[in-house]
Amino acid sequence: AQSVTQLDSQVPVFEEAPVELRCNYSSSVSVYLFWYVQYPNQGLQLLLKYLSGSTLVKGINGFEAEFNKSQTSFHLRKPSVHISDTAEYFCAVIKTSYDKVIFGPGTSLSVIP
Amino acid sequence: DAGITQSPRHKVTETGTPVTLRCHQTENHRYMYWYRQDPGHGLRLIHYSYGVKDTDKGEVSDGYSVSRSKTEDFLLTLESATSSQTSVYFCAISEEGGTYGYTFGSGTRLTVV
Repeated sequence: AQSVTQLDSQVPVFEEAPVELRCNYSSSVSVYLFWYVQYPNQGLQLLLKYLSGSTLVKGINGFEAEFNKSQTSFHLRKPSVHISDTAEYFCAVIKTSYDKVIFGPGTSLSVIP
Repeated sequence: DAGITQSPRHKVTETGTPVTLRCHQTENHRYMYWYRQDPGHGLRLIHYSYGVKDTDKGEVSDGYSVSRSKTEDFLLTLESATSSQTSVYFCAISEEGGTYGYTFGSGTRLTVV
């Protein structure tokens, strides 16, 4: 069975500092990987996805993530955060089939002025 | 997102009453999902649909039923609401399973008193 672990439930960071949100998954087969962002009182929005090819994936709002198959990780990074990046971030995984997406528990990113 | 709407946005109901939440999409996507979001649990799948009148259970389906009589509408019914069903409910849609990501609605905040 697949599972997704987000090692940090809360990450405070100062404005304009870099940030990394960690995600690890477990699966015995190849998977597709996603990051979603949820702003307060809103639904989730797709930030970026890894399907195949280059292991470095760029998404919206300056975020990027790197797929590391040997470490089964898909960490999200941004070189300089803004106040507007304050949100909940969810890592998600799906097998390479018409299976259901498995979401991680989420990481709350708080950007401090 | 303009292509998916949930109604109502907020609802307070009494224990033991039936409640129906509606998800409406204008994208003509085949797949529709109902999730609940609770602190400490992330998103958990309740039911999903892969076509008109084709539905299946998710990981937390007890106490819930769904119906999909038209491509654009996916209804979630709480047969007899309980306090444990107080949650935020999200609908999501996708074109081809979860492979290319989901589009989420803005959510329905349900309180059972």
